[in-house]
Amino acid sequence: KAGVTQTPRYLIKTRGQQVTLSCSPISGHRSVSWYQQTPGQGLQFLFEYFSETQRNKGNFPGRFSGRQFSNSRSEMNVSTLELGDSALYLCASSLDSAGGSPLHFGNGTRLTVT
Amino acid sequence: DQQVKQNSPSLSVQEGRISILNCDYTNSMFDYFLWYKKYPAEGPTFLISISSIKDKNEDGRFTVFLNKSAKHLSLHIVPSQPGDSAVYFCAGMNYGGSQGNLIFGKGTKLSVKP
Repeated sequence: KAGVTQTPRYLIKTRGQQVTLSCSPISGHRSVSWYQQTPGQGLQFLFEYFSETQRNKGNFPGRFSGRQFSNSRSEMNVSTLELGDSALYLCASSLDSAGGSPLHFGNGTRLTVT
Repeated sequence: DQQVKQNSPSLSVQEGRISILNCDYTNSMFDYFLWYKKYPAEGPTFLISISSIKDKNEDGRFTVFLNKSAKHLSLHIVPSQPGDSAVYFCAGMNYGGSQGNLIFGKGTKLSVKP
């Protein structure tokens, strides 16, 4: 069974630009979550989607948005990029969103904003 | 306010000895805890979990202990192996809530020396 796939693996953007990251969950998984990892803050929750609906949202500005498609694939978008958005963005999927169904993470997209 | 704290950024242990990674939490609503392991350039992988109705859960070389009154949990690895060298993240959640909204600590980097 293929794992969680994130594309691209690396991305370099300039301040002010926008970026779209993609995530394909494990087949059969309906819940997709996004996390931002930075050296100072660790793993921070961005948002979670379940059956194309945003179920939870973390404490990030509105420049961060996401969506989920009917095949459970998900994208996240960051507009008006800032230097502080440089981070590893991790996508995770699970069968459902309740406890007892561990998250399976992709290898992440490393975003560098210059 | 950090709801999950891993106060030791790093830990170095000799191969064959015990590794003890600690985690404290402040959110009384958390009743389910998970440990994830992360190698460089890879996403975190689920290691072990514990529900608040238990005070211990064991899986092979890995044991997690939960002290609810102290709001403290620890991960014991016995015996430690060089392949265990990774960053370990502790996470908490409300079991009835969404696991897509895990609250992670900032991680502890474990180095197991041969």
